[in-house]
Amino acid sequence: NAGVTQTPKFQVLKTGQSMTLQCAQDMNHNSMYWYRQDPGMGLRLIYYSASEGTTDKGEVPNGYNVSRLNKREFSLRLESAAPSQTSVYFCASSERRSGNTIYFGEGSWLTVV
Amino acid sequence: AQSVTQLGSHVSVSEGALVLLRCNYSSSVPPYLFWYVQYPNQGLQLLLKYTSAATLVKGINDFEAEFKKSETSFHLTKPSAHMSDAAEYFCAVSESNQGGKLIFGQGTELSVKP
Repeated sequence: NAGVTQTPKFQVLKTGQSMTLQCAQDMNHNSMYWYRQDPGMGLRLIYYSASEGTTDKGEVPNGYNVSRLNKREFSLRLESAAPSQTSVYFCASSERRSGNTIYFGEGSWLTVV
Repeated sequence: AQSVTQLGSHVSVSEGALVLLRCNYSSSVPPYLFWYVQYPNQGLQLLLKYTSAATLVKGINDFEAEFKKSETSFHLTKPSAHMSDAAEYFCAVSESNQGGKLIFGQGTELSVKP
């Protein structure tokens, strides 16, 4: 069972470089999410997509862009990486209705030097 | 606005002892509440969730949580800790008018001593 798959798992970037985190889910979910996890701060929502063709900002969207490529795929792009974006990034998916379980990928560890 | 507060960033218990992880929420509408567990270097896995049915919710690995509206709490308990329970635990809230988005607490790291 693949579930939510995100790549790459580890990445080191230099300040100012750009990169895209890829995410795909095979559960036919409508909604997809990108969270970042930092020590002592839990998970914070960066962007989400309630359905194919729509995206909305979450709590911490600055410095990021997203693309909902199709129902399966939701990518996160850092246009000009900054050390403050060093974090663990999680992609997730769920059905759109409130109360539905959100399923998470394994995480992507990003370091910006 | 909805929010979640987990009391205690780190909890340590002895193997076989009761586990109690505290979570309080703030929500302007009836909430949906979740507990997730994260083992080292892994993603988050759902332990249990409250979606307005029974107030006492049972989850995997003998964990349970009780929704108390009067106290705005959703504390997680387990009668007897195992070494394998050592992990980070996150409480999260989703409001009924916000789709599936979750707002997470800061997390509580559980250590289990032999």
